[in-house]
This record gives sequence, C-alpha cells and structure tokens, in this order.
Amino acid sequence: AQSVTQLDSQVPVFEEAPVELRCNYSSSVSVYLFWYVQYPNQGLQLLLKYLSGSTLVKGINGFEAEFNKSQTSFHLRKPSVHISDTAEYFCAVTNSNSGYALNFGKGTSLLVTP
Amino acid sequence: DAGVTQSPTHLIKTRGQQVTLRCSPKSGHDTVSWYQQALGQGPQFIFQYYEEEERQRGNFPDRFSGHQFPNYSSELNVNALLLGDSALYLCASSLVPGQGGNTIYFGEGSWLTVV
Repeated sequence: AQSVTQLDSQVPVFEEAPVELRCNYSSSVSVYLFWYVQYPNQGLQLLLKYLSGSTLVKGINGFEAEFNKSQTSFHLRKPSVHISDTAEYFCAVTNSNSGYALNFGKGTSLLVTP
Repeated sequence: DAGVTQSPTHLIKTRGQQVTLRCSPKSGHDTVSWYQQALGQGPQFIFQYYEEEERQRGNFPDRFSGHQFPNYSSELNVNALLLGDSALYLCASSLVPGQGGNTIYFGEGSWLTVV
C-alpha cells in the first residue's frame, strides 16, 4: 500500500517570500512522485514530477521539488511567490502495484498576500 | 490541441437518481481514469479504462461504473445517488497505463450536487 501525507493544510505567505510545501509518502516499492496545482474552480495542472535520476526536479512557474528517499519526502519549493500562486497544491504518488493510478494527499492551500 | 474535456460542468440530482458524466481524452491518449474530489479533499481514484476495459479500480462501490468507447472517450455512471456522492468528478487521460512516467492530464471536472 502507498500513502501521501501533506503536513500543512494551509500555508500563508507574503508576496516575494520563499515557500516550502511539505509532502511525505510511504510505499513498499519504488514510486513516481508528482505535484499538481488546482486554481479555484479548475482541474489539476501538473507542476512537476520525479521519475528517476536527479533528485532535484524543476517544474513550471519557478517551482522545484527535491526527492529524499531516506526521509521519504518530496517537498515543493519556490524562492519567491506571487499573488497568482494562490491555489491548492496536491502531492501524489504512484507505482506499478497500483497500475499507476495516482494516490493524492489532502492538499495544501497556499495563500499569498501583499 | 484540445485537452481533456468533460461534460456537463455542473449538475444537480436528487437522491436515488442516476447520473452519467462524459469525458473526451486529450488527443492521442488511450487511457482514461476517473477521480472523485470531495470538498476540501484530494482526488480519490475511482477506476481506469484502457482498451475499453476496466483495468484498475479504487475503493468505490459497484454503484460506480464506467465505459470506454472505441474512440477512447469515456462515461462514468453513478446509480442510486447518495448525498455523499456530491463532489467534483475529474477525468484524466494518459498514454498506456503500464508506463508510470507518462504525464496524466486532467479535465476541469463535473460538479455534481445531490440533494
């Protein structure tokens, strides 16, 4: 079985400040990891994904994430956020045992204020 | 290039009724999955269709059923609706389910309200 825990349900941050959204996972086999963003009343958009190789993954909109196998974490970071980054962020894991269906965390609500 | 399209965008049903939601995958994609997202929660995997067959299923009752057509489009059917079925239903498409690295693209969802 696999699971995802997003450690913060809400993260308030000021514009141009750095941000980290935390994600931990558990799995008995090798995993693929993803971060998706959901803007209000919209579907999910892929920010970035880790499949293999370099543990630092760069995505769209200036986001990056680091895969840490020993700590089973995949935290999302951005050095300077914008008001437009306000959204819900979901961490997801998948593996071959699940037929590559995505298992999502409960989400972290990022609120960027001036 | 059209992405994943879903219909209807919003609908209201009464308890006990049946509903059908529709999805057209992104061009070139042959695999369709459905997810349920309750308010304030992450999406939950319902099932996945490939080559017109259900390949994987999440922890959902048999009231939830689906179909994939030869053109890869898909339907999600929910029978005997309960109030707890109120949620955003997301369709996702990708290539060949056996390749985990393939990006999964999501539609904007169908909002179902059961009253």
